[in-house]
Amino acid sequence: ETGVTQTPRHLVMGMTNKKSLKCEQHLGHNAMYWYKQSAKKPLELMFVYNFKEQTENNSVPSRFSPECPNSSHLFLHLHTLQPEDSALYLCASSQDIAGGVDTQYFGPGTRLTVL
Amino acid sequence: GQNIDQPTEMTATEGAIVQINCTYQTSGFNGLFWYQQHAGEAPTFLSYNVLDGLEEKGRFSSFLSRSKGYSYLLLKELQMKDSASYLCAVRDSNYQLIWGAGTKLIIKP
Repeated sequence: ETGVTQTPRHLVMGMTNKKSLKCEQHLGHNAMYWYKQSAKKPLELMFVYNFKEQTENNSVPSRFSPECPNSSHLFLHLHTLQPEDSALYLCASSQDIAGGVDTQYFGPGTRLTVL
Repeated sequence: GQNIDQPTEMTATEGAIVQINCTYQTSGFNGLFWYQQHAGEAPTFLSYNVLDGLEEKGRFSSFLSRSKGYSYLLLKELQMKDSASYLCAVRDSNYQLIWGAGTKLIIKP
């Protein structure tokens, strides 16, 4: 247990569906991250929130929409996805985005399959 | 562009020692991380290097040479549970983590 939980763990959706991924951290951290992990590829940073404010959006398509209502919760809203969006979506948190070691702690991920 | 290179896969024997290399080219440097990821699980933090030299933590050690853009993770007394992917990541001048694709380590009895 890393102190970061994600639901659901597995999700299968059609290209016309709308779904949301949820992440919650119990570590008292101020920064939260969404990553995409595809097989044999580096982790791709999608979004960063620091103190509930979005600080990074790495050219992510608009069919992915993040929401951070408070420092403990992070959502990723999905709509009209493509089959190539199938991947493991990881949430992480850290104390702050700059300064010190600032280790990121990861949740177990949501395995997403788009049909 | 920014780039992290590490071998795709390595095989080692239980009880032996293995060294996983990582080379990097990034815009600035603010530390290098090693993470372990078992199949289907979250990456978990192993080590952090920001100064040159060796950091030892039990059976695991990590080395950094900033002038060479090089790091390695050394695993001693290998156990079957060490079978996992090992991810190298460098924090750049914008404090973003740049990730390697990971090295899948297979331990054989």
